[in-house]
Amino acid sequence: DAGVTQSPTHLIKTRGQQVTLRCSPKSGHDTVSWYQQALGQGPQFIFQYYEEEERQRGNFPDRFSGHQFPNYSSELNVNALLLGDSALYLCASSPTVNTEAFFGQGTRLTVV
Amino acid sequence: QKEVEQNSGPLSVPEGAIASLNCTYSDRGSQSFFWYRQYSGKSPELIMSIYSNGDKEDGRFTAQLNKASQYVSLLIRDSQPSDSATYLCAVNKGYGGSQGNLIFGKGTKLSVKP
Repeated sequence: DAGVTQSPTHLIKTRGQQVTLRCSPKSGHDTVSWYQQALGQGPQFIFQYYEEEERQRGNFPDRFSGHQFPNYSSELNVNALLLGDSALYLCASSPTVNTEAFFGQGTRLTVV
Repeated sequence: QKEVEQNSGPLSVPEGAIASLNCTYSDRGSQSFFWYRQYSGKSPELIMSIYSNGDKEDGRFTAQLNKASQYVSLLIRDSQPSDSATYLCAVNKGYGGSQGNLIFGKGTKLSVKP
């Protein structure tokens, strides 16, 4: 049973560019959430997708957007990258029936 | 007041000892509580979930929840060097069909010395 998979694992972008990160949820999971984890901090909630709609959003600017596809996979897009966007981006999936969330291996984004 | 607070540590214990990790949360509406383990450079791994007051045991791990005191703890018995990691406490206001989002503490770094 494949767990949550994310791609790519590492990425280096230049300030001002745009980036797209991808996530495939664990089998049987229909809810996908994205988190940003800066060094030395706990993950911060960005947004959550369910039934292809954004259901909840954390305190992140509109430069952060996302999408969920009919197969429950998801994308996170970040426009106009800033140096401060450098972080580990984590995707978590969970089933509707409970709130246990399982994380993918993350995408390490470095903005230079 | 931060929503979820943990002592950042580092907490150092000898091999074979009991490690005790603590967490407090501010929102009394919180319904679900989780402990994640995160090795350096890796993603968080779910090790315990607890929803009701009291203790929940799974192998060497015991989670304790006291909603009246807004307090969650994790005990690791017979600590091993492989338990050395950062332990993240997470709280979710959702329950069952109501999906909330996880609010994390900063994590407590645990070091188990051989």
